Amino acid sequence: SFVLTQPPSVSVAPGQTARITCEGNTIGGNLVHWYRQRPGQAPVLVVYDNSDRPSGIPERFSGSSSGNTATLTISRVEAGDEADYFCQVWESSSDHPYVFGTGTKVTV
Amino acid sequence: QVQLVQSGAEVKEPGSSIKVSCKASGSPFSSYAFSWLRQAPGQGLEWMGAVIPIFDTTKKSQKFQGRLTIIADVSTNTAFMELSSLTSEDTAVYYCARGLRGPRWGGAFEIWGQGTTVSVSS
Repeated sequence: SFVLTQPPSVSVAPGQTARITCEGNTIGGNLVHWYRQRPGQAPVLVVYDNSDRPSGIPERFSGSSSGNTATLTISRVEAGDEADYFCQVWESSSDHPYVFGTGTKVTV
Repeated sequence: QVQLVQSGAEVKEPGSSIKVSCKASGSPFSSYAFSWLRQAPGQGLEWMGAVIPIFDTTKKSQKFQGRLTIIADVSTNTAFMELSSLTSEDTAVYYCARGLRGPRWGGAFEIWGQGTTVSVSS
């Protein structure tokens, strides 16, 4: 099966920039999506197709992908950004095609 | 505004089955893929399976083949997930989510239900 590896935790001061990586050999050639999940809440899509933002998501959230690594960048971090973040890809050749990353806890 | 509203929390005994509903409002129902995912306590997200109502087709993770049933009722805009032969390892929050790409597999999960807590215990 395919594995997407994220750092377990990232700590960032308010106003600074947080970068969350997502590594895996299925990243290259696949579109990566990112979700934010606050405690006790359902996930929310914050970036899709590597770098697009759904309506209502601030421009502070941006995404990129190169080689086997995708990155979610949160600029000008606020207290409300504290949450778990998951990356996700669609791997059509897998018998478990929607693959999620291991998750990263962002602490502000 | 598009919303997915799921049925309430349940407690089940090992060996029994659970059926969770997900009612969509505010958008065309048939023309999207609806997935079911779960999250065990303190764990990450796991995709289980999905249905595209307009094609009446489903796709499931091999992990759940044989004990997972997913259906869509277009008359009520509701998707259902039924999981049988429950064990304690099925204790989790179960989510439905609508795909971003219309009636196609793949892509991101744009809209999520609020989650349904399922506890399996004797």
